[in-house]
Amino acid sequence: DAEITQSPRHKITETGRQVTLACHQTWNHNNMFWYRQDLGHGLRLIHYSYGVQDTNKGEVSDGYSVSRSNTEDLPLTLESAASSQTSVYFCASSEYIGQPQHFGDGTRLSIL
Amino acid sequence: GIQVEQSPPDLILQEGANSTLRCNFSDSVNNLQWFHQNPWGQLINLFYIPSGTKQNGRLSATTVATERYSLLYISSSQTTDSGVYFCAVPGAGSYQLTFGKGTKLSVIP
Repeated sequence: DAEITQSPRHKITETGRQVTLACHQTWNHNNMFWYRQDLGHGLRLIHYSYGVQDTNKGEVSDGYSVSRSNTEDLPLTLESAASSQTSVYFCASSEYIGQPQHFGDGTRLSIL
Repeated sequence: GIQVEQSPPDLILQEGANSTLRCNFSDSVNNLQWFHQNPWGQLINLFYIPSGTKQNGRLSATTVATERYSLLYISSSQTTDSGVYFCAVPGAGSYQLTFGKGTKLSVIP
């Protein structure tokens, strides 16, 4: 079955370090998204991509970057981790405009 | 951007009771999704419902796009229904979803 996989599931790191969270989907979807989930805010969009070599900023993109070198993967990088980036991160994908998004199981990131 | 409001924010039910969760949105939309986040944190797709009514077992959803709201009905609730329910809609001309803050449902035996 097609799926979307995030790794690692949990990570603890220190402020100032670079961190990369992986997202891999086997749906062959064009569209991929990264969200963060914080108490009191629900899920907020960080970055998204509509296809290979395409990346766009979302609502809360400061301090994050993504790259899309193939259809299957959209890694999320925190260039210099800050304690405010402690959160649960979700990756999602969808096939076409208006089609439902499918979510990974999330990565819980703690920055000390 | 589009605003999404969910009500109530918290709901406690006795097992077997029925409930209705509401999602209001501030602009016209071409699709809407309902999700259940279980106690393990997984986001489960419940419904993709731009308009009309859909049913899946004890759950059903209705979206009235012209009046900018959607309702999620849970009948004969079970403890496994506990968790947070989110609705999400895309902004105008975009794919990316804007989420409501969710309704936290607790079903007690």
